[in-house]
Amino acid sequence: GAVVSQHPSRVICKSGTSVKIECRSLDFQATTMFWYRQFPKQSLMLMATSNEGSKATYEQGVEKDKFLINHASLTLSTLTVTSAHPEDSSFYICSASKQVTRVTKNIQYFGAGTRLSVL
Amino acid sequence: DAKTTQPTSMDCAEGRAANLPCNHSTISGNEYVYWYRQIHSQGPQYIIHGLKNNETNEMASLIITEDRKSSTLILPHATLRDTAVYYCIVRVADYGGSQGNLIFGKGTKLSVKP
Repeated sequence: GAVVSQHPSRVICKSGTSVKIECRSLDFQATTMFWYRQFPKQSLMLMATSNEGSKATYEQGVEKDKFLINHASLTLSTLTVTSAHPEDSSFYICSASKQVTRVTKNIQYFGAGTRLSVL
Repeated sequence: DAKTTQPTSMDCAEGRAANLPCNHSTISGNEYVYWYRQIHSQGPQYIIHGLKNNETNEMASLIITEDRKSSTLILPHATLRDTAVYYCIVRVADYGGSQGNLIFGKGTKLSVKP
């Protein structure tokens, strides 16, 4: 397998503050990373696709000015929740696609997730 | 990407084989079947994937019917730690580009009981 590290695992912040979440591929390079959000008892919902060296692609209904994504290197993508509010409280999960020569071997690996609680 | 249908929940006795079904009757010829699982409060974990041949790895076996309209994930000797939500996802294999995102359904909640 491959390792995707996500930090922090849990964060509690006050309403109006910004929170940065890091996603790192530890043993492979990832041109593309993905950010998901999961509310309690629901499935994962894709928020955006993060492309190294270019702007992220956001899913419909996701505010790009609120959820800032930076993919500055082949091993790091960050998600910043700006001016967080209680309704942003959720479980945020990143993933990275490990590319290999044979496309059939491409597999997406996930981080452990970040639980954000906004007070 | 084709949609999948999975039972909402299943129980399995510890030490027994867990067989998780998935229907994907509208699967296209270039779409693969992927299985992930999510243990409570953790990120999803890749299990296995396949196109048309049966696949086996250290975690599980994947049996795909000849018409590819359904598949079964088999955990040969389930343990309590296998309790999780199991997701069956179909999509084209890709080079890791923007088409590579996974669309998660509701999955099957597998409860392994002692």
